[in-house]
Amino acid sequence: AQSVSQHNHHVILSEAASLELGCNYSYGGTVNLFWYVQYPGQHLQLLLKYFSGDPLVKGIKGFEAEFIKSKFSFNLRKPSVQWSDTAEYFCAVKGVSGNTPLVFGKGTRLSVIA
Amino acid sequence: DAGVIQSPRHEVTEMGQEVTLRCKPISGHDYLFWYRQTMMRGLELLIYFNNNVPIDDSGMPEDRFSAKMPNASFSTLKIQPSEPRDSAVYFCASSSRGTVYNEQFFGPGTRLTVL
Repeated sequence: AQSVSQHNHHVILSEAASLELGCNYSYGGTVNLFWYVQYPGQHLQLLLKYFSGDPLVKGIKGFEAEFIKSKFSFNLRKPSVQWSDTAEYFCAVKGVSGNTPLVFGKGTRLSVIA
Repeated sequence: DAGVIQSPRHEVTEMGQEVTLRCKPISGHDYLFWYRQTMMRGLELLIYFNNNVPIDDSGMPEDRFSAKMPNASFSTLKIQPSEPRDSAVYFCASSSRGTVYNEQFFGPGTRLTVL
């Protein structure tokens, strides 16, 4: 069965600091990978996704993520965070074959302070 | 497109009452998912449907929970009887197998409070 592990439960950063949120998954086959963001009081929105090709994926709002197949990782990065990036971030994995559903990690709460 | 629509947005009820949450997926999507989000457990998949048929309900916590999808444009999640530990935000999401990325689109959620 698939599983997703997000290493950090809560990250606190100052504005302009660099961000890296870890995500590791376990699955034996080909996967699609996603990062979703949930701003306070809002629903989940897609931040970026990886399907195939270049393992470095650019998303909205300056976010990027790198798929490292050998490490089963899909870490999220941003060079300089802003206060408006305060949100909860969810990594998700979907096996390409069959009817496997999207499996979410438990989320990482990011707090950006001025 | 209006996106995934959920109702009500907020529900406050008393323990023992029946609660019905509703979801309208994006037109043309053939997968529908129900999730529950709590501080303690994070985002949990409860059940999902493909072409109105339940595929996996292993995430449904107990028999008090039931979900139906009578047609392609409507689904319900029912809790009967409700308990305080059911308090959570319930999200509905839909996706299309025809979308290469299998991206799920989420609704705004229903915040349920059981007193």
